Amino acid sequence: GAGVSQTPSNKVTEKGKYVELRCDPISGHTALYWYRQSLGQGPEFLIYFQGTGAADDSGLPNDRFFAVRPEGSVSTLKIQRTERGDSAVYLCASSLNSLVAGGENEQFFGPGTRLTVL
Amino acid sequence: QQQVKQSPQSLIVQKGGISIINCAYENTAFDYFPWYQQFPGKGPALLIAIRPDVSEKKEGRFTISFNKSAKQFSLHIMDSQPGDSATYFCAAREGYNTDKLIFGTGTRLQVFP
Repeated sequence: GAGVSQTPSNKVTEKGKYVELRCDPISGHTALYWYRQSLGQGPEFLIYFQGTGAADDSGLPNDRFFAVRPEGSVSTLKIQRTERGDSAVYLCASSLNSLVAGGENEQFFGPGTRLTVL
Repeated sequence: QQQVKQSPQSLIVQKGGISIINCAYENTAFDYFPWYQQFPGKGPALLIAIRPDVSEKKEGRFTISFNKSAKQFSLHIMDSQPGDSATYFCAAREGYNTDKLIFGTGTRLQVFP
């Protein structure tokens, strides 16, 4: 079956611009996670959704970052007024159910979107 | 603030040897410890995971050893193969009321034939 897909695979933008990154989770997965990964580092948690609601957004670095999942499936990560320090690979993952909701939390990752802010 | 410390940063192992990667944590609320494997250009993939009520878990050539009192856990890859060459990340869940994972900084493993 299809895995987690992310679009675009690469995004180059200029400092100050607005960007949207999209994630299509595995069909039927109720939990969806966003991470960002800088070169040579581990993934850094941003936010996760259980269904349509953000269950934990404690990793969002500031109010320029926002994510939505209006119908409990596709999610969009939105970054306003991009800065050069936002350059990273943004990873999305999904799981059948979150650990908190009684699942096993095997998170299946997509290939990521490489964001470059010039 | 690095909450999960991983070592070594890189590891070179001969084919057939044992690869050992170590992680340590401070927060006693952490309650789920997965290991992920990542190939270049790909997202991480779950290898094996353990909960703190178990001291060891084995799946095929991969074993997690967990020492709750020392707040340490390690991944052992037996009979290492060139196809195991990848970056490995340990992680920890921040607590029972969230699925937030804190990742280590990664270990780049190279297995030579």
